[in-house]
Amino acid sequence: DAGVIQSPRHEVTEMGQEVTLRCKPISGHNSLFWYRQTMMRGLELLIYFNNNVPIDDSGMPEDRFSAKMPNASFSTLKIQPSEPRDSAVYFCASSLPNGGNTEAFFGQGTRLTVV
Amino acid sequence: DQQVKQNSPSLSVQEGRISILNCDYTNSMFDYFLWYKKYPAEGPTFLISISSIKDKNEDGRFTVFLNKSAKHLSLHIVPSQPGDSAVYFCAAIRRDAGGTSYGKLTFGQGTILTVHP
Repeated sequence: DAGVIQSPRHEVTEMGQEVTLRCKPISGHNSLFWYRQTMMRGLELLIYFNNNVPIDDSGMPEDRFSAKMPNASFSTLKIQPSEPRDSAVYFCASSLPNGGNTEAFFGQGTRLTVV
Repeated sequence: DQQVKQNSPSLSVQEGRISILNCDYTNSMFDYFLWYKKYPAEGPTFLISISSIKDKNEDGRFTVFLNKSAKHLSLHIVPSQPGDSAVYFCAAIRRDAGGTSYGKLTFGQGTILTVHP
């Protein structure tokens, strides 16, 4: 398996533009997570899905952020409009919780820079 | 509210010596703990884990110890190697009120480990 695949690896955009980050989880995994890493806040969970259904989006910072999982093999995280403070590394991870005790596998991340 | 804390931002160790990374948590509902390693420009990779019903888990050079009463866990790396130099994250999983867990990880801030040759 190729692991969790994220695209793009790097994104530079101007303030106010829409940004879409993409994730393909590991085949067979039924939980998918979006994390954001910043110097100030470390790794923070934004939203997670189970069986394609959003379970908890309380970590989404603002209404400008939205996430979808239309099927088991694809998810998107969208920021519209983007702001400089959204600059961070965004990670997608997937897992197959077996009683909740299974590690999550992470993608390589998308480094977002909003100028 | 930082439920998982790694109070040491960095640790420097000589090659061949032991590295000890520490982690504290506040939520007694956490029942599974993990350590991840992260290299620059890569995603975190799973290293080792421990269930709350155990107090020790060992995998090669890596051992994780859990002290539930103190809400503390530690990662021991023996012997340390230069390739171990990375950021180490402690993470925890808890079940919700209904006893369900989806594998949601709560992370600490990370500790930068540097192993000198």
